[in-house]
Amino acid sequence: AQSVAQPEDQVNVAEGNPLTVKCTYSVSGNPYLFWYVQYPNRGLQFLLKYITGDNLVKGSYGFEAEFNKSQTSFHLKKPSALVSDSALYFCAVTGNTGGFKTIFGAGTRLFVKA
Amino acid sequence: GAVVSQHPSWVICKSGTSVKIECRSLDFQATTMFWYRQFPKQSLMLMATSNEGSKATYEQGVEKDKFLINHASLTLSTLTVTSAHPEDSSFYICSVTPGQGLPSSGYTFGSGTRLTVV
Repeated sequence: AQSVAQPEDQVNVAEGNPLTVKCTYSVSGNPYLFWYVQYPNRGLQFLLKYITGDNLVKGSYGFEAEFNKSQTSFHLKKPSALVSDSALYFCAVTGNTGGFKTIFGAGTRLFVKA
Repeated sequence: GAVVSQHPSWVICKSGTSVKIECRSLDFQATTMFWYRQFPKQSLMLMATSNEGSKATYEQGVEKDKFLINHASLTLSTLTVTSAHPEDSSFYICSVTPGQGLPSSGYTFGSGTRLTVV
């Protein structure tokens, strides 16, 4: 069965500092991995994905993520955080079986302080 | 990019009544739509997968008679919460994909519907 773990409920970082939001996954076969961001009372917005190719994936708003197969991780990173990055971040995995259902992690709330 | 419209954004209803939530894809044909619910400070829980023209596939533990899903066209899926109760209060979100395979840019999500049952 597919699963996604985001071990941190909350991440605090000062503006201008690098940020990392952690994600590990478990899936049969090759994983399709995604990061989404959610602002209060809004739907999810796609940030980036890994399907195949380079392990370092670049996405929207300066975010990037590194796929590490041996550690089954897909951590989200940004070199310099902005206050406006404060939001709820979800890691998601889509398996290539069972109709491509997407399973989401529990979410990590990011607070960026000025 | 793909645009999904979800309506209403929020709704308050009395216990025992039914509420219909619409999810429309505005610029592409959505063969497959997913419905999620999200409790406060929790992740999204997949409720069901609907394919145009066929019956929805519900996840384990989701009552199909309570959460009626209709995907009658390639641009519209509806979720009806029947005989709503306070415990049905939640944030409901749809997501769509133009095909039945993996979408190359992730799934497109609606803006969500905040349902409060009083």
